[in-house]
Amino acid sequence: DAKTTQPPSMDCAEGRAANLPCNHSTISGNEYVYWYRQIHSQGPQYIIHGLKNNETNEMASLIITEDRKSSTLILPHATLRDTAVYYCIVRVSGTSGSRLTFGEGTQLTVNP
Amino acid sequence: DAGVTQSPTHLIKTRGQHVTLRCSPISGHKSVSWYQQVLGQGPQFIFQYYEKEERGRGNFPDRFSARQFPNYSSELNVNALLLGDSALYLCASSRGSGGRTDTQYFGPGTRLTVL
Repeated sequence: DAKTTQPPSMDCAEGRAANLPCNHSTISGNEYVYWYRQIHSQGPQYIIHGLKNNETNEMASLIITEDRKSSTLILPHATLRDTAVYYCIVRVSGTSGSRLTFGEGTQLTVNP
Repeated sequence: DAGVTQSPTHLIKTRGQHVTLRCSPISGHKSVSWYQQVLGQGPQFIFQYYEKEERGRGNFPDRFSARQFPNYSSELNVNALLLGDSALYLCASSRGSGGRTDTQYFGPGTRLTVL
């Protein structure tokens, strides 16, 4: 499994953009990068995923570097409700199934 | 549409007992995966089922078992409970058998406490 590295914690002011980095230097060419978040003791919530192009949806934007060794999740206007643990995951799939391998994630705290 | 549902929400058991946790996937989803999340850690993969067949298994002892029913709902069974089995058990559903863009959506989880 390709491993990911994320900072353990980050702070962001309410209304500002939150930029969450992720390193995945061992990613394979056909593996996707997924982002989930987990608000205290709830089930993880899917945010966005991408392969090599930048992606945007109603929740966030995902910027993947050209060499695909790192990515950044951008929450354009963070609110207090965005306080959560954010997980960057490289998707493993194949004959053995399609498991998500979670790391420790980044605890994002949005401050008023 | 309803999301992934899990029951019960909370459960308290004693060591040595067994437990059955249930999961109903999103309508139209045929794959169910189970994860265990111990306090302070990220979720760990236990099983994946697709069309009633096991398609993946994580590094968990044989005390853990699961099955998927014809309506695609699933049960996770844990026998001979240990204190270390106390965790949030998460179920995730997805449409297919795990292609690279087959997104998993999680339920709220079942909080199991073993005393």
